[in-house]
Amino acid sequence: EAGVTQFPSHSVIEKGQTVTLRCDPISGHDNLYWYRRVMGKEIKFLLHFVKESKQDESGMPNNRFLAERTGGTYSTLKVQPAELEDSGVYFCASSQRTLAFSDRTEAFFGQGTRLTVV
Amino acid sequence: SQKIEQNSEALNIQEGKTATLTCNYTNYSPAYLQWYRQDPGRGPVFLLLIRENEKEKRKERLKVTFDTTLKQSLFHITASQPADSATYLCALGGTGGFKTIFGAGTRLFVKA
Repeated sequence: EAGVTQFPSHSVIEKGQTVTLRCDPISGHDNLYWYRRVMGKEIKFLLHFVKESKQDESGMPNNRFLAERTGGTYSTLKVQPAELEDSGVYFCASSQRTLAFSDRTEAFFGQGTRLTVV
Repeated sequence: SQKIEQNSEALNIQEGKTATLTCNYTNYSPAYLQWYRQDPGRGPVFLLLIRENEKEKRKERLKVTFDTTLKQSLFHITASQPADSATYLCALGGTGGFKTIFGAGTRLFVKA
């Protein structure tokens, strides 16, 4: 079974440019999450999709970030325009169930996209 | 303020010994707590989940305890091996919404 895949693995862009990150969750996983780790800090939640609907986007830093999940399959995270502080590693994760009271709430993470804004 | 604390200093132990990692949190009331392993350049890998009504959970050489009064979880790796060397992340869930809140992690080095 394929795991969560993210593309690209690395991206270096100039300040002011646009970057789009892609995440393909595990097939059949309705729940998809985006996280970000800024250098030296902990992994921070960005948002959570259930199928194509945004369940919780309270972690999105500002309106320069736009996440979509058309058709409830893969997701994209666009940063436009990128700023220096957006640099970090962006992780995507997926899970089959949402609630903690199920054995199928384990989240599977992708390898991350390292974004560097110069 | 809300905070999750894990030992920022690396933990160095000898192969075969038990590694114990600590996760303390303040101003959270999590429904569950998770432990993840992360290797350099990779995403976190889920290890164990323990719910607020559980005191202890085991999986092979791993043991997790959860004390909601002390607001602390301990993560034990028995008979540690060099392959256990990694960063271990504590994460809280069910704190409101469905997001997971991560600690900064503790690096573990197991020497042969």
